[in-house]
Amino acid sequence: AQSVSQHNHHVILSEAASLELGCNYSYGGTVNLFWYVQYPGQHLQLLLKYFSGDPLVKGIKGFEAEFIKSKFSFNLRKPSVQWSDTAEYFCAVKGNTNAGKSTFGDGTTLTVKP
Amino acid sequence: KAGVTQTPRYLIKTRGQQVTLSCSPISGHRSVSWYQQTPGQGLQFLFEYFSETQRNKGNFPGRFSGRQFSNSRSEMNVSTLELGDSALYLCASSSSTGTSYTDTQYFGPGTRLTVL
Repeated sequence: AQSVSQHNHHVILSEAASLELGCNYSYGGTVNLFWYVQYPGQHLQLLLKYFSGDPLVKGIKGFEAEFIKSKFSFNLRKPSVQWSDTAEYFCAVKGNTNAGKSTFGDGTTLTVKP
Repeated sequence: KAGVTQTPRYLIKTRGQQVTLSCSPISGHRSVSWYQQTPGQGLQFLFEYFSETQRNKGNFPGRFSGRQFSNSRSEMNVSTLELGDSALYLCASSSSTGTSYTDTQYFGPGTRLTVL
């Protein structure tokens, strides 16, 4: 079975602060990893994804994530957050043999103070 | 390309009724998955369809069912609605080829179902 754990339920930062959101997963095979963002009133949007290759992946809006296989982690980072980054962030895992099923973490609500 | 569309966007039903939600995937996508999103349980996988066949199923009761048509559009049905079925129902499509699952799911805006 696949599972995802997000470390922080709610994070509050000031603009220009650096961001790191933790994500750990459990799955006994090859995984695909994703970070999605849900802005207030909007639908889930893909931030970035990891399938294979370079473990440091870059996504939209200056976000990046690092896959550390030995730690089963896929943490999301951004060097300097903006007020517009206020949103809920979801880490998701999809097993390479698991058709169409992504397992999501509980989400982290990020509030950026101007 | 147009994104994933879901209709209706909002629904209000009463306990015991049934409801049908519709999802049109991104053009060319053959895989459609459904998720339920609630504040308490987060995002939970319901089922996935590929080429009109259910390929994967989550842990939901049999009151939740779905189907997919030849044009890849999908519907999900919930019968005998309960208060706890109030949720945002999300549809996601992907370009799964059927032999490899290294694909990305793209989500629609969801249907907000309220059960009174």
